[in-house]
Amino acid sequence: AQTVTQSQPEMSVQEAETVTLSCTYDTSESDYYLFWYKQPPSRQMILVIRQEAYKQQNATENRFSVNFQKAAKSFSLKISDSQLGDAAMYFCAYRSSNSGYALNFGKGTSLLVTP
Amino acid sequence: GAGVSQTPSNKVTEKGKYVELRCDPISGHTALYWYRQSLGQGPEFLIYFQGTGAADDSGLPNDRFFAVRPEGSVSTLKIQRTERGDSAVYLCASSLAGGGANTQYFGPGTRLTVL
Repeated sequence: AQTVTQSQPEMSVQEAETVTLSCTYDTSESDYYLFWYKQPPSRQMILVIRQEAYKQQNATENRFSVNFQKAAKSFSLKISDSQLGDAAMYFCAYRSSNSGYALNFGKGTSLLVTP
Repeated sequence: GAGVSQTPSNKVTEKGKYVELRCDPISGHTALYWYRQSLGQGPEFLIYFQGTGAADDSGLPNDRFFAVRPEGSVSTLKIQRTERGDSAVYLCASSLAGGGANTQYFGPGTRLTVL
């Protein structure tokens, strides 16, 4: 089974600054998908960004970008120009493209944004 | 359009009771997933439906848990003889199809508390 590790239980960033959230995963597969989800206090998981493992180019969505290092099995999320609304739990998730359809989530990182 | 909805938002029950949790997926989504999120953890996969059939129920913890999707749309997660350890947020997600490339969209969850 694939495991996803988020080693930072909590992170803090000042408004307008940049923060990077770490994620590593363990897999023997070569083809898979990686995701970052945001979970605000409302509980609803919101997709932030996704990365296909076969793509070398790092995914970018507005202020959010990833640093995907396939050999190192690392998938970090960079949030630029942080806003108060970015405060939430962030979950890294892995999904196989070949077997099963479930998302395997890490334990999450709580992001605090200070004015 | 409307997102994934779940009812009830919160459910409090007594140990030993039977509960049903409902999920309404996004219209037209053939794939539906249930996850369970315990306090301080990431969501854990329970079951995946493709259409009316359970394609993968490997995440169900024991035979007290059962889920149905009789018409390929709404799904109900059923828990018999509830235990205090069942207390968690139960999340439902749907996707257009079941392939690994399809994004899962989550509902707001049902918080189940077993007293």
